[in-house]
Amino acid sequence: EDKVVQSPLSLVVHEGDTVTLNCSYEVTNFRSLLWYKQEKKAPTFLFMLTSSGIEKKSGRLSSILDKKELFSILNITATQTGDSAVYLCARPDSNYQLIWGAGTKLIIKP
Amino acid sequence: DVKVTQSSRYLVKRTGEKVFLECVQDMDHENMFWYRQDPGLGLRLIYFSYDVKMKEKGDIPEGYSVSREKKERFSLILESASTNQTSMYLCASSLAGIQGRPQHFGDGTRLSIL
Repeated sequence: EDKVVQSPLSLVVHEGDTVTLNCSYEVTNFRSLLWYKQEKKAPTFLFMLTSSGIEKKSGRLSSILDKKELFSILNITATQTGDSAVYLCARPDSNYQLIWGAGTKLIIKP
Repeated sequence: DVKVTQSSRYLVKRTGEKVFLECVQDMDHENMFWYRQDPGLGLRLIYFSYDVKMKEKGDIPEGYSVSREKKERFSLILESASTNQTSMYLCASSLAGIQGRPQHFGDGTRLSIL
């Protein structure tokens, strides 16, 4: 069964810290991996990764994919309280639906 | 920017009622999805549609049906609402594509069944 596993499930850090969130997957026919941020409402799209070893950046957020080891990481540097959210990763299955991880709940303390 | 609009943010209904949740997207996306999200269970796919009048069951279709008569609109129907259908319902849309396109979400409908 294809799975997407995120770790840790929750994380509490202080403002200014750097965090690394993990997403591992089990699949033989890889297409892409996507990261989302969910605050109080719906998930908002962050990154889509298709190639191994190429970092994608957006401000203090960056993400990279390792297709050989079947995982991706999402880094957030100089965290701010506004980064508090649930971070979700997902990948398409053979029917092009998304298989979602359970999410990492990140809490940034001032 | 992609805009996915769900008709209600909050909805309260009674058991046994027929409930309609509406979703409209304005980006000419082929794919549309309905999820429910419950604490500890993450996002679970109820139904999706890849074209007008086409639908596919997701992981938890029981007790639900869908309708897609126009490309921009995807409706979720609870045939006879039950208390275990109290949840946050999220609609999403995406372009078609073999790599898996990003899904864009509406703000969600928090549905309570009393």
